[in-house]
Amino acid sequence: EAQVTQNPRYLITVTGKKLTVTCSQNMNHEYMSWYRQDPGLGLRQIYYSMNVEVTDKGDVPEGYKVSRKEKRNFPLILESPSPNQTSLYFCASSLLPSGYNEQFFGPGTRLTVL
Amino acid sequence: AQSVAQPEDQVNVAEGNPLTVKCTYSVSGNPYLFWYVQYPNRGLQFLLKYITGDNLVKGSYGFEAEFNKSQTSFHLKKPSALVSDSASYFCAVKEGSSNTGKLIFGQGTTLQVKP
Repeated sequence: EAQVTQNPRYLITVTGKKLTVTCSQNMNHEYMSWYRQDPGLGLRQIYYSMNVEVTDKGDVPEGYKVSRKEKRNFPLILESPSPNQTSLYFCASSLLPSGYNEQFFGPGTRLTVL
Repeated sequence: AQSVAQPEDQVNVAEGNPLTVKCTYSVSGNPYLFWYVQYPNRGLQFLLKYITGDNLVKGSYGFEAEFNKSQTSFHLKKPSALVSDSASYFCAVKEGSSNTGKLIFGQGTTLQVKP
C-alpha cells in the first residue's frame, strides 16, 4: 500500500530535550515536505527536499533541522524544543514539487513541549 | 503578497443539500489551485486540482470546484452533501513565481453536515 508513515504519532516532551520525528514514504517520490498545522493558520511549510541531499527552508524553519540521506526518509529534528513548537506536524511526499501535483500526507505527529 | 483566503471558519449544511466551501487567492502569474480534505485525526487527502483547461474541475467523492479568474476564486462544491463529508477542507495555491512548486495553504474550513 502506498503510504507516508510518521513516528511517533504523539509525543510529550520538555523544553530543550532533543527529539526526532521520522518520516518515510514507499512511493519513490523525490519531493518531500514538513508542515506544521496550528489553529487558524492552516499548514505552514517548515522544510522541503527536492531529492537526496537537497533540502531548503520553507516559511517557518527556525528551530528545526532536516536531513535527506535516503530517498524514502526525511526526518525532522528539533535540537532544543520550545513550547512554541507545540503543534501538529505533517510529512508529505509527491512525485513532483508540491505545487504541481498531488501530495501524499502522513497521519500526523502531535507534539507537546512543556 | 501571495495568499489564499477561506472566509468561513465553519460551514453547516443539512444532508442532501448542496454545499459550497469558498476560497479566494492572490498570486502572480497563472495559479495552480488545489483542494485537500482532512478527516478527524488523519492527514490531508487530495481532492482535486486546477492547472489549466476547463474551469469546472471534478474530483474525488463527488466534489467539484469552479475556477473563476475574474473573481480570483476557486470554490469547492457538491450537489448533495453527506454526513460523511464532515471534515476540514483546505484550499491551496502554488506560489506563482516559485520554481520549487511551493504551496500556500488557506486556514481551513470545517464542514458540518447534519442528518
